[in-house]
Amino acid sequence: QQKVQQSPESLTVSEGAMASLNCTFSDGTSNNFRWYRQHSAKGLEVLVSIFSDGEKEEGRFTAHLNRANLHVSLHIREPQPSDSAVYLCAVSMTGYQNFYFGKGTSLTVIP
Amino acid sequence: AQTIHQWPVAEIKAVGSPLSLGCTIKGKSSPNLYWYWQATGGTLQQLFYSITVGQVESVVQLNLSASRPKDDQFILSTEKLLLSHSGFYLCAWSPWGGVTQYFGPGTRLLVL
Repeated sequence: QQKVQQSPESLTVSEGAMASLNCTFSDGTSNNFRWYRQHSAKGLEVLVSIFSDGEKEEGRFTAHLNRANLHVSLHIREPQPSDSAVYLCAVSMTGYQNFYFGKGTSLTVIP
Repeated sequence: AQTIHQWPVAEIKAVGSPLSLGCTIKGKSSPNLYWYWQATGGTLQQLFYSITVGQVESVVQLNLSASRPKDDQFILSTEKLLLSHSGFYLCAWSPWGGVTQYFGPGTRLLVL
């Protein structure tokens, strides 16, 4: 079964500094990767989806995928206190129907 | 207006009792529908997905079942609750072939 591991478990950054989150997965045939944000007030939302090696940018959020290294990362440019939330990495081997999730990284952005 | 509605908002149930959680999608044609579960402090797990009425695929076996009786309705149920069913249940939808998802507000379940 797919194993998805995220690091760090928690991260504190200052407002405006880059935040970088990491995710490793175990199945090299994985073909669909997503980053979600679980915000206490706003619920769960998809931030960025990526399917091929390289990077995918959605506003201030950029995902980097390296399938050979079984690694996908999320970089948040100019984070704001409102970005404080739990960030979840999700990986699928079957397109977009079935995803396995990591335990999440809790991000705190300090003003 | 809210596109995705889940009911109930929260529930306290006894072990061994039945459960039915509902999810309704408004204004979207033939959405893909999903059920997720997250134990308190646990990892989010996908339970079921459905791409069309009457068709439901199971992802994780937790002694739960799901049905899609209408295009805009997704039901999660069990005849006998276990303590391990406690947690947060999320329904989500995505457009057919879409790369993104939209989540409902969730139902918090406590089994005693």
